[in-house]
Amino acid sequence: DAGVIQSPRHEVTEMGQEVTLRCKPISGHDYLFWYRQTMMRGLELLIYFNNNVPIDDSGMPEDRFSAKMPNASFSTLKIQPSEPRDSAVYFCASSLREYTEAFFGQGTRLTVV
Amino acid sequence: AQKVTQAQTEISVVEKEDVTLDCVYETRDTTYYLFWYKQPPSGELVFLIRRNSFDEQNEISGRYSWNFQKSTSSFNFTITASQVVDSAVYFCALSEANSGNTPLVFGKGTRLSVIA
Repeated sequence: DAGVIQSPRHEVTEMGQEVTLRCKPISGHDYLFWYRQTMMRGLELLIYFNNNVPIDDSGMPEDRFSAKMPNASFSTLKIQPSEPRDSAVYFCASSLREYTEAFFGQGTRLTVV
Repeated sequence: AQKVTQAQTEISVVEKEDVTLDCVYETRDTTYYLFWYKQPPSGELVFLIRRNSFDEQNEISGRYSWNFQKSTSSFNFTITASQVVDSAVYFCALSEANSGNTPLVFGKGTRLSVIA
């Protein structure tokens, strides 16, 4: 398997624009996670899905953030409108089942100017 | 609430030295899982090990070893005969199981620099 695939790898956008990050989990994995990494806050869980259903979105910082998983092989994280403080590396990860290790994508480095 | 503390922010060692990265966790659950991940300069997060709370046996994998002690709530990671390629940020993480699946909660990481 190719692992978790994220796109784009880098995104630079202007404040106020909509940003969509994409993720393809490992085939057969039941869980999908979105994390954000910043110097100040480290790795934070934003939201996670089980069998395409959102389970916990309490980590989503504001209503400007939304995530969907329309099928088992695709998820999106959308920020609308984007702000400079959203600049971070966003990771998608998937795991086979509960309590197992999560495998991470290479991340999307988002810069909002 | 679960919590993971990695008190060492940065460590610098000379190649071939042994180095131990500390991880202390907090949880009220009796069933939980501990993990270590490596983040090299390229940025990806690489899974290293997973341990459940009922297995306190130490684990060795090549130059890597892990010491799990429930009595001190610690899950420390030792690299023997360090190499420059070991330079990375290392994260310890915890997942609780009693109250349903909880995703990984990460410590702030320890940046290891191995100098040739």
